[in-house]
Amino acid sequence: EAGVAQSPRYKIIEKRQSVAFWCNPISGHATLYWYQQILGQGPKLLIQFQNNGVVDDSQLPKDRFSAERLKGVDSTLKIQPAKLEDSAVYLCASSLEVIGSGNTIYFGEGSWLTVV
Amino acid sequence: KQEVTQIPAALSVPEGENLVLNCSFTDSAIYNLQWFRQDPGKGLTSLLLIQSSQREQTSGRLNASLDKSSGRSTLYIAASQPGDSATYLCAVDNYGQNFVFGPGTRLSVLP
Repeated sequence: EAGVAQSPRYKIIEKRQSVAFWCNPISGHATLYWYQQILGQGPKLLIQFQNNGVVDDSQLPKDRFSAERLKGVDSTLKIQPAKLEDSAVYLCASSLEVIGSGNTIYFGEGSWLTVV
Repeated sequence: KQEVTQIPAALSVPEGENLVLNCSFTDSAIYNLQWFRQDPGKGLTSLLLIQSSQREQTSGRLNASLDKSSGRSTLYIAASQPGDSATYLCAVDNYGQNFVFGPGTRLSVLP
């Protein structure tokens, strides 16, 4: 079974530039998550999708971050314009159903962003 | 608001030692708790999931316990090996709040 795929793995951009990350979840997984993990901290949820609908985006900085999950499969996370504090690993994860039903959550290897 | 803490932040032990990692959470109304492992430059790998109705789960040399009423979980690693070196994170699944992660414990097992 293929895991959660993310690209690009690494990206270095200047502040105020834009960047986009792509995620393809495990086939058949209804729920997709984007987490931000700053060095030395645990992941923080940015947005959760159930199929192609947003379940929770309360911690997404909507003035600069956007995400979409067209057709309920793969997803794109965009940052525009980037700030220095956006330097982090962006982790995509998926689960069969919504968390809370006992399903395990599977993570991709992450997209590492450095803003200079 | 759920808060998750992990102690210690970092741990270094000689190979073969048994060790315990601790996880505490403030809101006991959780659905389940999960322990993850994260290797440098990698994503998170699920190790053990404990449902709120369970007391512990075991997988190989790993044993995780859950005391919901006191807001604590421990991850016990028996006979540690250098390959166990990684960051271990716990995460609680809150009703309606999704997963909340702790900051992790960075483990180094010395040969």
